[in-house]
Amino acid sequence: EAQVTQNPRYLITVTGKKLTVTCSQNMNHEYMSWYRQDPGLGLRQIYYSMNVEVTDKGDVPEGYKVSRKEKRNFPLILESPSPNQTSLYFCASSLIADRANEKLFFGSGTQLSVL
Amino acid sequence: AQSVTQPDIHITVSEGASLELRCNYSYGATPYLFWYVQSPGQGLQLLLKYFSGDTLVQGIKGFEAEFKRSQSSFNLRKPSVHWSDAAEYFCAVGPPPPVNTGFQKLVFGTGTRLLVSP
Repeated sequence: EAQVTQNPRYLITVTGKKLTVTCSQNMNHEYMSWYRQDPGLGLRQIYYSMNVEVTDKGDVPEGYKVSRKEKRNFPLILESPSPNQTSLYFCASSLIADRANEKLFFGSGTQLSVL
Repeated sequence: AQSVTQPDIHITVSEGASLELRCNYSYGATPYLFWYVQSPGQGLQLLLKYFSGDTLVQGIKGFEAEFKRSQSSFNLRKPSVHWSDAAEYFCAVGPPPPVNTGFQKLVFGTGTRLLVSP
């Protein structure tokens, strides 16, 4: 089954403790992206990747890192989490970054709480 | 800068009644327009999209949307709502080529939560 898999679904951590949220897709997609969803703010893009070793900042990249060493994986890294990073995170991917012919596939989300 | 406004935070509709969710955008040219639905505990799923041509777009699950250039709107409609339509709905816009063709600069609205009453 074609899917975008995020882990974990829920995560509670403390300020400053490094964490990684994994994202994996099994559709051989070139494009991958991370969003955070906050009440009243909708989804905001954190980082995106057009292909292996090609990443770029979205609208809210501060406090986050990403890497794209393999096509299928796009982990989101919080080196020193802070409470304002408490949010619902989504990973998304598409075959190519061409909106006319493709669509974004979303993972089921990761609810992160930073205490 | 492009922006998307969904003026209704919550909407309650009776099952079987019609639905219209509003979306207004701000952009210099006609952007690419999308509607996504997020069911509880799930990621977003594309309902429909508009790039050009016919301004009335048909999507999945019986939804349609109409692009109105004069009003900068892209409202989502459904003639008869089912209880399973209860979800959060997001409008999104992205710049057309040649700015880019991809999803890199997709901007989402703040969402409208649809409640369906029996």
